[in-house]
Amino acid sequence: DVKVTQSSRYLVKRTGEKVFLECVQDMDHENMFWYRQDPGLGLRLIYFSYDVKMKEKGDIPEGYSVSREKKERFSLILESASTNQTSMYLCAAGGGYNEQFFGPGTRLTVL
Amino acid sequence: GENVEQHPSTLSVQEGDSAVIKCTYSDSASNYFPWYKQELGKRPQLIIDIRSNVGEKKDQRIAVTLNKTAKHFSLHITETQPEDSAVYFCAASPNYGQNFVFGPGTRLSVLP
Repeated sequence: DVKVTQSSRYLVKRTGEKVFLECVQDMDHENMFWYRQDPGLGLRLIYFSYDVKMKEKGDIPEGYSVSREKKERFSLILESASTNQTSMYLCAAGGGYNEQFFGPGTRLTVL
Repeated sequence: GENVEQHPSTLSVQEGDSAVIKCTYSDSASNYFPWYKQELGKRPQLIIDIRSNVGEKKDQRIAVTLNKTAKHFSLHITETQPEDSAVYFCAASPNYGQNFVFGPGTRLSVLP
């Protein structure tokens, strides 16, 4: 019963490239989230969206943008990838007083 | 904004013993506190949560306590088993769970 999927498990990009990370949920939930996970830092919120075409900055939005054109899809965009954006990226859907269901993650390496 | 601290960063216990993980938060308006478990190579999953109008909640071997005055909450796991080995994240939400701030995580190892 897959709830949240991400377009890639592993991605290698070069510095300066534009990077798109895609997330799709099948729960019909309003809320979607993008986090990055780094050792010792936990899960840090980049952006979240509570409705189509709506977005809110999280704790670390610098260097990222998002797009939500359809309810089921939330995209994270790195306009010009840098080496300090090498990380694990996790998408989630849900929330309110209910569980946030996470995707499997995309491990992005920027060379 | 909200800031969540979590201790310890690593914890090793013998199978059958209890484990306690503690978190503190900074925003007194926070009203929802979930705990997520992430096994190696897997996605985080909710294991228990508590709202600010409740002081304690229990689900089989796991329990969470909340002290709003001191702004801290704790996860208690009793009779630990090898499958409890994972990274545990606490979180706090100032807006009824719409978004969370996570702590840095605790790596729990249950030794046979």
